Amino acid sequence: DAGVTQSPTHLIKTRGQHVTLRCSPISGHKSVSWYQQVLGQGPQFIFQYYEKEERGRGNFPDRFSARQFPNYSSELNVNALLLGDSALYLCASSLPLGLAGVVRFGPGTRLTVT
Amino acid sequence: AQRVTQPEKLLSVFKGAPVELKCNYSYSGSPELFWYVQYSRQRLQLLLRHISRESIKGFTADLNKGETSFHLKKPFAQEEDSAMYYCALSGHNQGGKLIFGQGTELSVKP
Repeated sequence: DAGVTQSPTHLIKTRGQHVTLRCSPISGHKSVSWYQQVLGQGPQFIFQYYEKEERGRGNFPDRFSARQFPNYSSELNVNALLLGDSALYLCASSLPLGLAGVVRFGPGTRLTVT
Repeated sequence: AQRVTQPEKLLSVFKGAPVELKCNYSYSGSPELFWYVQYSRQRLQLLLRHISRESIKGFTADLNKGETSFHLKKPFAQEEDSAMYYCALSGHNQGGKLIFGQGTELSVKP
């Protein structure tokens, strides 16, 4: 079990650019969630996808979007990057929606916007 | 409003001392409460959840609905307990959507 994997590990973008982050869930997990963790703060919920449908959205602007593919992997897209988007982006996968306790996190993608 | 508050950013204790990491929450309904831990250079991982009423690595946490608290305790801290600890909640049947506190860094000194 490789656990949740994310790519890339880190990247640097310029203000105004677009970025795509990728996540592969644990085998058998059909739900993927995305979190933003700004330095010094706890993770903040961005999106949850289950069976390729959006099941929850946090308080983030429309510049943030995501999707889930038939193999349950997921992408997080952020358009028109701002300096404040610099953060660690965490992906988490889980079994069906009701089992909150089995949420497993990936190592994260460190995004730096200059 | 749904919120998790961890009042201490840093907690420093000596090895063998008792530890209590505080967590208070605000939620309309019956949430599920969790403690997550992140050791240095490792990913975020679940430590324990209130519905399991278990003890993991000597840590326990009791849900106090009257005080809306879920404090994490350990009677004798070990150096390997040094890490970031996050309290989190989710709504019923909202697995995967977690609300985290700001985290408390626990430093256990020899």
